[in-house]
Amino acid sequence: DGGITQSPKYLFRKEGQNVTLSCEQNLNHDAMYWYRQDPGQGLRLIYYSQIVNDFQKGDIAEGYSVSREKKESFPLTVTSAQKNPTAFYLCASSSGQPGQQYFGPGTRLTVT
Amino acid sequence: GQQVMQIPQYQHVQEGEDFTTYCNSSTTLSNIQWYKQRPGGHPVFLIQLVKSGEVKKQKRLTFQFGEAKKNSSLHITATQTTDVGTYFCAGDGGATNKLIFGTGTLLAVQP
Repeated sequence: DGGITQSPKYLFRKEGQNVTLSCEQNLNHDAMYWYRQDPGQGLRLIYYSQIVNDFQKGDIAEGYSVSREKKESFPLTVTSAQKNPTAFYLCASSSGQPGQQYFGPGTRLTVT
Repeated sequence: GQQVMQIPQYQHVQEGEDFTTYCNSSTTLSNIQWYKQRPGGHPVFLIQLVKSGEVKKQKRLTFQFGEAKKNSSLHITATQTTDVGTYFCAGDGGATNKLIFGTGTLLAVQP
C-alpha cells in the first residue's frame, strides 16, 4: 500500500527544545516538501528537496532544518530558534516538475 | 516574489446552491493545480490544468484556466454537504520545482 506517512499525529514540546518531525514515502518520488499551515491560512513552503542529498530553502526556512539522506525520508527539525513553532506541519512528495503532490496526514505541533 | 491569491476567503452556501472560487497569480503560470482539504485533514489533489483557456469537468466541478494563464476558477454546481472544506489552487511558475499555493477558500454548506 503506497503512500506518505508522518509521525506523530500530535506532538507537544516545551519552549526551547528542538523537535524532529518524521516524513516517509514509499512512492519512489524524487521530490519532497515541507509546508506549514496556521489556522485559517494557506500552505507556506519551509524546505523542499528534489533529489537525495540536496535541498533548498522555501519561503519560511528560518528556525527549521532538514536532511535528505535517503530517497524515502525527509525529516524536519523545528529548532528553538523558530519563534512561533505551534502549527500544523504537512509533508508532501511528487514525481517532479512539479507534478501532483501527495500529502501526508500532517503533524500538529504545540509548543508551550 | 510570486504570489497566488484566492477569493473569497470564505463562502457559506445553502445545500443545492452553486459555488465559485477564483485564483489569481502575479505571474504567468505553466500550469495550475487544485486541491481540497477537508476539515482536520490534509490537501488532496483534484486536477491539473496546463493549456491556456482549458476547461475540465469532474462531475459537478468545473475548472478553468485563463487565456493569459494567470488566473483560474473552480465552480461547483448544486453543492452538497460533502463539498465542505478548503479549496486551494497552486501554481507552478516553471522556473523552480515547487508550487505556490493560494490562500484558499473555505466552503461551508448548510443542509
